[in-house]
Amino acid sequence: DAGVIQSPRHEVTEMGQEVTLRCKPISGHNSLFWYRQTMMRGLELLIYFNNNVPIDDSGMPEDRFSAKMPNASFSTLKIQPSEPRDSAVYFCASSQHGPTQETQYFGPGTRLLVL
Amino acid sequence: GESVGLHLPTLSVQEGDNSIINCAYSNSASDYFIWYKQESGKGPQFIIDIRSNMDKRQGQRVTVLLNKTVKHLSLQIAATQPGDSAVYFCAEASGNTPLVFGKGTRLSVIA
Repeated sequence: DAGVIQSPRHEVTEMGQEVTLRCKPISGHNSLFWYRQTMMRGLELLIYFNNNVPIDDSGMPEDRFSAKMPNASFSTLKIQPSEPRDSAVYFCASSQHGPTQETQYFGPGTRLLVL
Repeated sequence: GESVGLHLPTLSVQEGDNSIINCAYSNSASDYFIWYKQESGKGPQFIIDIRSNMDKRQGQRVTVLLNKTVKHLSLQIAATQPGDSAVYFCAEASGNTPLVFGKGTRLSVIA
């Protein structure tokens, strides 16, 4: 299995630009998670989906952030407009069944730098 | 790198010695626990998990111990190797919540 796939691996953009991060979960996994990791705040859960439906987006920091999961094999996290404080590593993870009490498998992350 | 916190606890261990990484969890309702390893520039990698009906579980060179009385979780690594150098996270979950991650501990192996 290829594991969780994320793209791009690195993104450098200017403040005000739109950023779209992409994730392909492990085939057959029903739950998908988006995390943000920074030095100051550690690993933060932003939003998670179960069977393509958003379950909890309380971790999304602002309305500038949005996430979609149009099908079982693809999800996007969009930031519009981006700001320098959004600079972080963004991880996508998936789990086989439900979103709770399950092992989550992480992708390699997208390193975002907003200038 | 940017994957760790500014005040991350650090454990330094001689190569070949055993390592013990500790984690205190807060939710007495948590009944599922996981240890992850994160190497620089990579995503967290699953190491071992344990459910609350157990107090010990062993894997290859790793053992997880769970003490529900004091809400404490530990990860023991036998014969620590340079490749074990990483940040280690514990995570907890209950029946209706996804994983909640701790801040992490950096393990540094001295050759």
